[in-house]
Amino acid sequence: DMKVTQMPRYLIKRMGENVLLECGQDMSHETMYWYRQDPGLGLQLIYISYDVDSNSEGDIPKGYRVSRKKREHFSLILDSAKTNQTSVYFCASRDNYAEQFFGPGTRLTVL
Amino acid sequence: GQGVEQPAKLMSVEGTFARVNCTYSTSGFNGLSWYQQREGQAPVFLSYVVLDGLKDSGHFSTFLSRSNGYSYLLLTELQIKDSASYLCAVRVSNYAQGLTFGLGTRVSVFP
Repeated sequence: DMKVTQMPRYLIKRMGENVLLECGQDMSHETMYWYRQDPGLGLQLIYISYDVDSNSEGDIPKGYRVSRKKREHFSLILDSAKTNQTSVYFCASRDNYAEQFFGPGTRLTVL
Repeated sequence: GQGVEQPAKLMSVEGTFARVNCTYSTSGFNGLSWYQQREGQAPVFLSYVVLDGLKDSGHFSTFLSRSNGYSYLLLTELQIKDSASYLCAVRVSNYAQGLTFGLGTRVSVFP
């Protein structure tokens, strides 16, 4: 069963703390994505990864960085989190037919 | 610039149909996807269209007119459980890039 997993599912942090969101997929997909979803703004693309150590900025990369050291894992890092980074974060991976599979999401609250 | 527009809400009656419209303006169009998203859950892929015309997938159909920058998702024989948000997402020429999403249309199905 093809699957994208995300950890943690819920996270509360204080402003200025570092945040690590993890994503895994068991489909050997090369391309993976990080999005955030906010009411009134929809899903917005933060970063794309084309494969290990091959990452590209999306539409809203400021305040975020990513790491992909293994094909099946893609991490999103917030160095010194801000309150406006409170959001639901989705990871996705793409198959050869360009269909994107989304993980269950991480709900991040920055106080 | 690139934009994807959808109506915010749509109401319909169980057993009838609902048509969710999507208009887009992008450079280098390379297909359009529809996703269903239930409250608090991840988007789930429904359909991908890249050629003009109607694509019938049983419970739902999708239509595309590239010259008009227009697509719709047609849900037939509606059930209460079809109540969800439906997201339109456009792919640009470099299809390894992430999708540009509309804000979604919240479809409510009433008995």
